[in-house]
Amino acid sequence: EGQVVESGGGLVQPGGSLRLSCAASGFTFKEYAMYWVRQAPGKGLEWVSGISWNSAVLEYADSVRGRFTVSRDNAKNSLYLQLNSLRPEDTAFYYCAKDPWQYSTGRGYFQQWGQGTLVTVS
Amino acid sequence: EIVMTQSPATLSVSPGQRATLSCRASQFVRSNLAWYQQKPGQTPRLLIYSTSTRATGIPARFSGSGSGTEFTLTISDLQSEDFAIYYCQQYNAWPLTFGGGTKVDIK
Repeated sequence: EGQVVESGGGLVQPGGSLRLSCAASGFTFKEYAMYWVRQAPGKGLEWVSGISWNSAVLEYADSVRGRFTVSRDNAKNSLYLQLNSLRPEDTAFYYCAKDPWQYSTGRGYFQQWGQGTLVTVS
Repeated sequence: EIVMTQSPATLSVSPGQRATLSCRASQFVRSNLAWYQQKPGQTPRLLIYSTSTRATGIPARFSGSGSGTEFTLTISDLQSEDFAIYYCQQYNAWPLTFGGGTKVDIK
């Protein structure tokens, strides 16, 4: 089923920016929609963004729309999330997750999860 | 936005007993409902998709049922490794949404 590994988290001041990356292996990355899901420490899960296999469909939660940008590089088997205008409430573990279906536009469930990368806004 | 409501928030169950977790959607989601398990300090793990299909490697003691707006995750013969938080998630419409979770702990 493959593996995804996130990186890029860290401590940033309010109003700052970060770029998260997700490296995929063990599956044909270019064929699958991908997602970002976050979880504030001790809280529940929140879907953040999704991108279709060909980047034609980009979706965002209202809480991040206009501040976060999802993208992918299929040649590098990588998913990205650009986080701008960060707020303290964006503090969370950010997980990269894989859609189950090939050539999906997204709007699926999360078949495979990474270990997450922690973003702290303070 | 489709709001997912899970109940109860906490469920205390003895090992070997059955746990029944509920998930309600504020709008019709057909069978586009998944369940995840998360243990402390671990990543969420897919248990069930399409309401009732177990993911690869998930034991048969986990079963899902329901349709439309009312869904249930049943864990029969609870094992020690099943004590965790369980989340439901709808994927019938954007934005994708999760329930608040049900914590299953040891009675």
